[in-house]
Amino acid sequence: DQQVKQNSPSLSVQEGRISILNCDYTNSMFDYFLWYKKYPAEGPTFLISISSIKDKNEDGRFTVFLNKSAKHLSLHIVPSQPGDSAVYFCAASGYYGGSQGNLIFGKGTKLSVKP
Amino acid sequence: SQTIHQWPATLVQPVGSPLSLECTVEGTSNPNLYWYRQAAGRGLQLLFYSVGIGQISSEVPQNLSASRPQDRQFILSSKKLLLSDSGFYLCAWSWPKDGAFFGQGTRLTVV
Repeated sequence: DQQVKQNSPSLSVQEGRISILNCDYTNSMFDYFLWYKKYPAEGPTFLISISSIKDKNEDGRFTVFLNKSAKHLSLHIVPSQPGDSAVYFCAASGYYGGSQGNLIFGKGTKLSVKP
Repeated sequence: SQTIHQWPATLVQPVGSPLSLECTVEGTSNPNLYWYRQAAGRGLQLLFYSVGIGQISSEVPQNLSASRPQDRQFILSSKKLLLSDSGFYLCAWSWPKDGAFFGQGTRLTVV
C-alpha cells in the first residue's frame, strides 16, 4: 500500500520553462512534507519542505504547494535549468500510532531539463 | 556541523556471501538513524531505523539485519546475500521532524 505516490515516473521540460512535479498521499495523519533531489550514485539532498499548517513555501526558484483537502502537493521550479535534471522524491512524515516521524518516500520523478 | 559517512561506495559480492555496510555520523548525538534502499522502480524504501543504541526497528522483512553498537554508528548486515539484495543503499540521520540527511550511498551488486 503506497502512502506517498508520484504518478509520473518522468518529466521533460525546456530550459527556462516551469517544471511541476506532483505528489499525492493517502494518510491524513501526515503533517510534514519534503522534497529531495537525487543525482545518480549520490545520496538524496534536501530541497524544500512544508508543514501542514501552510499551503505554500517558497525558496528561490523552488515553491512547494500543499492542498490538504486533496492530499496533494506539488513542487514548482521556475525557471528550470539543465542542472535541475535529477530524480525528485516527495516524502511525508507524521507522528501517529507507533510512528517515529519516519519519512515515507514516493517512487520519484525523473526530471530532464533540455537546453 | 554534522556529517555522515557511509562506506564502501561500491561493492560487488557473490550470492551467499556476507555483507557489512557501515555508517557513522559526526557532530550530533543521539540521532535517529536509518537505512534505505533504492531499487529500480521502487523509490526509496525504508529498511531499518534506530532511535538509540541497540534499538532497531525493521520496516521490511528480508534477509538483512541492522545493528547500532554505538550512538553514531549504524551497520547493515546480511549472513547470505541474495540476487534480489542488489540496489543502492543509503544511510541517513535526523532529528525528528527535521527531515533526513543522507550519506553518499553504496551501490551493491550481487552476482
